Amino acid sequence: DTEVTQTPKHLVMGMTNKKSLKCEQHMGHRAMYWYKQKAKKPPELMFVYSYEKLSINESVPSRFSPECPNSSLLNLHLHALQPEDSALYLCASSQGGGQGSIERGQFFGPGTRLTVL
Amino acid sequence: SQKIEQNSEALNIQEGKTATLTCNYTNYSPAYLQWYRQDPGRGPVFLLLIRENEKEKRKERLKVTFDTTLKQSLFHITASQLADSANYLCALVYTGGFKTIFGAGTRLFVKA
Repeated sequence: DTEVTQTPKHLVMGMTNKKSLKCEQHMGHRAMYWYKQKAKKPPELMFVYSYEKLSINESVPSRFSPECPNSSLLNLHLHALQPEDSALYLCASSQGGGQGSIERGQFFGPGTRLTVL
Repeated sequence: SQKIEQNSEALNIQEGKTATLTCNYTNYSPAYLQWYRQDPGRGPVFLLLIRENEKEKRKERLKVTFDTTLKQSLFHITASQLADSANYLCALVYTGGFKTIFGAGTRLFVKA
């Protein structure tokens, strides 16, 4: 299995809702990432987990809360979002982080298209 | 902060010709530079990596060059095919391998 799966594919939520995005991979990768991508813009790194520990938080607002329950799963909990948070949220994984990530790149999921009303 | 510039205008090319895409960056050179392909509504797909001490790398119809003096990478697709139409992103990877900064990409259209 060489893919990263993300659910749901689409999500519409109000500013007072709480929702979660899910990401799963079964490639044995030990680094997992969340990116945010707006139309015609590059993916922007939000969080990195390495060996289930939060390694990088790119000063993301606290209304986004990541969680890595185990090495195969990554969640992004959403609460009190703003309309400007509407974007494609991409999950990625890489082999062990470090050199593995560099040599083989990151494997991306198809993304969750989030709309905040 | 690091900035990456890729041609914001789309590149139109005839099938069979060579497409050349440019990636320029400011500030300090990364240890590695990667190229990805992204189709509309999909996640990026890793294509190729080049290290800062390498001048050129090839993989099938793809060729990447890296000039740390010019702070530039060129990405070539030879014998382009209709299926090569996509957005191509360059990404700078810093030591440690986790922190990756993407460019916005260049949209390539290959026409018959």
